[in-house]
Amino acid sequence: KQEVTQIPAALSVPEGENLVLNCSFTDSAIYNLQWFRQDPGKGLTSLLLIQSSQREQTSGRLNASLDKSSGRSTLYIAASQPGDSATYLCAVQSSGDKLTFGTGTRLAVRP
Amino acid sequence: DTAVSQTPKYLVTQMGNDKSIKCEQNLGHDTMYWYKQDSKKFLKIMFSYNNKELIINETVPNRFSPKSPDKAHLNLHINSLELGDSAVYFCASSPRDRDYGYTFGSGTRLTVV
Repeated sequence: KQEVTQIPAALSVPEGENLVLNCSFTDSAIYNLQWFRQDPGKGLTSLLLIQSSQREQTSGRLNASLDKSSGRSTLYIAASQPGDSATYLCAVQSSGDKLTFGTGTRLAVRP
Repeated sequence: DTAVSQTPKYLVTQMGNDKSIKCEQNLGHDTMYWYKQDSKKFLKIMFSYNNKELIINETVPNRFSPKSPDKAHLNLHINSLELGDSAVYFCASSPRDRDYGYTFGSGTRLTVV
């Protein structure tokens, strides 16, 4: 059974800092890994998707890496801004096309 | 707009009632899902349908019954609502090609009183 863990559970940083969110998963037989953002009371916005054959993906100030063999992914956010404040969710797609979510990292960026 | 749309956005109802949540996607995806986000914000899959066929049916009370009239629609009907059913329910879809990810709807916040 796939299990996904995210560390830290919560993070508060001053504006401008670079930060790293961590995600680990127990079963390395994945099709892809997706990072989402969820604002309070809102839906999920897809940020980045890394296919199982890829090592990383970049979008603007976001960079996500994947080490499938060790069951780890990181989301790097450069030059954080208050608008980045949200919950970040990591999810892996594995057998049965099931998307399994982590518990999330709640990020607060202080002005 | 291409998207996954679900209605209603908010639903407040009394215990014991029966309610439905509707979901439609115009992305041409083959598979649709229902996820439940509990009070601790954890997202867990409930059902998935591929081209109208039930694929995943997690341990969900049989008061919950998904219905897929066609590939673009997946509705969720809940009978005899209980207080513990209060949560946010998300519909999602994904294409056959696993190189592309999931697209989620904006959620339905269900409150049972």
